Amino acid sequence: DVKVTQSSRYLVKRTGEKVFLECVQDMDHENMFWYRQDPGLGLRLIYFSYDVKMKEKGDIPEGYSVSREKKERFSLILESASTNQTSMYLCASSLGKQGVFATNEKLFFGSGTQLSVL
Amino acid sequence: AQRVTQPEKLLSVFKGAPVELKCNYSYSGSPELFWYVQYSRQRLQLLLRHISRESIKGFTADLNKGETSFHLKKPFAQEEDSAMYYCALLQGGSEKLVFGKGTKLTVNP
Repeated sequence: DVKVTQSSRYLVKRTGEKVFLECVQDMDHENMFWYRQDPGLGLRLIYFSYDVKMKEKGDIPEGYSVSREKKERFSLILESASTNQTSMYLCASSLGKQGVFATNEKLFFGSGTQLSVL
Repeated sequence: AQRVTQPEKLLSVFKGAPVELKCNYSYSGSPELFWYVQYSRQRLQLLLRHISRESIKGFTADLNKGETSFHLKKPFAQEEDSAMYYCALLQGGSEKLVFGKGTKLTVNP
């Protein structure tokens, strides 16, 4: 079974702090994603990556950056946390092949990190 | 722009009643659609995909291109079906999923 592990289940930070959210997958997946999940807003894509050192902006990248130095690890960075970034953050991965659409594609999700910015 | 609309935030039915969770999409190409589910304190996971034409846990979903809909249905709801359900659209030529805002289903005893 694919495992997507997010390093923290709960995180409390102060406004202005630099925050790192870590995600690791163990199935050699090409694609990794960061979503945030908010009540009434659903899941919104922040950033995604097709390959090591590759990143692409999702729908709401402002205030975030990412890093993918190794295939299995995808980090989400909040350079200067703000209260409106309080949310549940979900990491996901999929097998994928770069630039190729696979009809049997599905996302495997981590259990989420609930971030509170005070 | 691609968009997925789930018009109901909350849906409440009684055990044994039929249930239908609505999903409409906006997409100019040939859509690939999915339903994801999140049970209480569990990870978000794939429930079914339209291309497989499968039934999972008694749920089915039919793609209706004329109505641009992909409603999720189950003839007899069970209490364990209570969960958050998300409809999702795969953007053609990419690996990106666009999600709806979700519907919270509660099945009452």
